[in-house]
Amino acid sequence: GIQVEQSPPDLILQEGANSTLRCNFSDSVNNLQWFHQNPWGQLINLFYIPSGTKQNGRLSATTVATERYSLLYISSSQTTDSGVYFCAVGVETSGSRLTFGEGTQLTVNP
Amino acid sequence: GAGVSQTPSNKVTEKGKYVELRCDPISGHTALYWYRQSLGQGPEFLIYFQGTGAADDSGLPNDRFFAVRPEGSVSTLKIQRTERGDSAVYLCASSWVTGGWETQYFGPGTRLLVL
Repeated sequence: GIQVEQSPPDLILQEGANSTLRCNFSDSVNNLQWFHQNPWGQLINLFYIPSGTKQNGRLSATTVATERYSLLYISSSQTTDSGVYFCAVGVETSGSRLTFGEGTQLTVNP
Repeated sequence: GAGVSQTPSNKVTEKGKYVELRCDPISGHTALYWYRQSLGQGPEFLIYFQGTGAADDSGLPNDRFFAVRPEGSVSTLKIQRTERGDSAVYLCASSWVTGGWETQYFGPGTRLLVL
């Protein structure tokens, strides 16, 4: 099956700093989503982005499908950004299932 | 209405017991998914439904796990003869359509602990 690798595994920032999270995947995808899992375990959708670029406030994401990677940018980080960020992909041959990476644990200190 | 809801939020059971976990999808969503998340890992796919039928159950780990969605809305994940290794967070998600080209929305999960 498809492999999904996220980097870095852990990231510690001071409030106000910017960061880039990366997701590499091993096959062509028809679905790619970025999630934020908050400290209570809730998975919150950030972006549905199988290709192209999107922005939502301080967050933006870019997926370069031909090169099989996606980037999540967080600008002017806040303590509430802390949590685990997951990239999840879907491939046509696997129907609608999402395959998740292992996540990036982000800690933003005040 | 609101987002995906799951009950119970926490379940503690003893090894060998039977448990049922419930998922209420977002109203109108035709596709429903179950995932399992172990500590420190990303969620892993278990099964998905399109309407009432299980379109893909290839992620179920063994025949102790079963899920139903009899009326095409609420789904129940059933685990027989629970084992300590079944302890995890069980997540449910739903989406408007299936085929991979849509956003999946997740519930808060049920934390299952098997003693």
